[in-house]
Amino acid sequence: AQKITQTQPGMFVQEKEAVTLDCTYDTSDPSYGLFWYKQPSSGEMIFLIYQGSYDQQNATEGRYSLNFQKARKSANLVISASQLGDSAMYFCAMREGNTGFQKLVFGTGTRLLVSP
Amino acid sequence: SQTIHQWPATLVQPVGSPLSLECTVEGTSNPNLYWYRQAAGRGLQLLFYSVGIGQISSEVPQNLSASRPQDRQFILSSKKLLLSDSGFYLCAWSVLTGLITEAFFGQGTRLTVV
Repeated sequence: AQKITQTQPGMFVQEKEAVTLDCTYDTSDPSYGLFWYKQPSSGEMIFLIYQGSYDQQNATEGRYSLNFQKARKSANLVISASQLGDSAMYFCAMREGNTGFQKLVFGTGTRLLVSP
Repeated sequence: SQTIHQWPATLVQPVGSPLSLECTVEGTSNPNLYWYRQAAGRGLQLLFYSVGIGQISSEVPQNLSASRPQDRQFILSSKKLLLSDSGFYLCAWSVLTGLITEAFFGQGTRLTVV
């Protein structure tokens, strides 16, 4: 079963507008972590933001914020004031394992296109 | 500061040829190390992970192998490449102790098997 689901293969947004990229997850572990990465056309994976399952506040990093709804098991990424440079693939990931080895499991990604 | 180096950036290899991709991490000790593969237009699939020298675990059965001869060196290999081995390979590291809150990736190697 999919542990990380990103249902939007592609999203379009106009420059300076906000956009929300969806991510839902499936785990029975009470302790987990959620990540968002940006992958521009160059291929590198750029870490954007992290949310721990016990964090009381939604994570924010500059123009990125994570809308964490634990009961709904969703961790949507909100990008405010979109810029042309935000055009890229975006991946949601979840940390599996809390003792011993830990790994990141990724969703299939959402391609964001920002238009002028 | 920590950095991760991965090479080569691109590689075109014939079917049946061997493969060696190298990844090194600087500025940290005892990292968790990972090899991921990304097929065209898809998400990342974890291939191998390592928690220490000589300790390799495989996530999926495949034509590839991994080795960790030194603490900060992770190598992905194959004796005979298949067409299906084509893809974008990414090395990553995270801290070994505590809960992972960040994982850092190399620049990736785009492998085309012809």
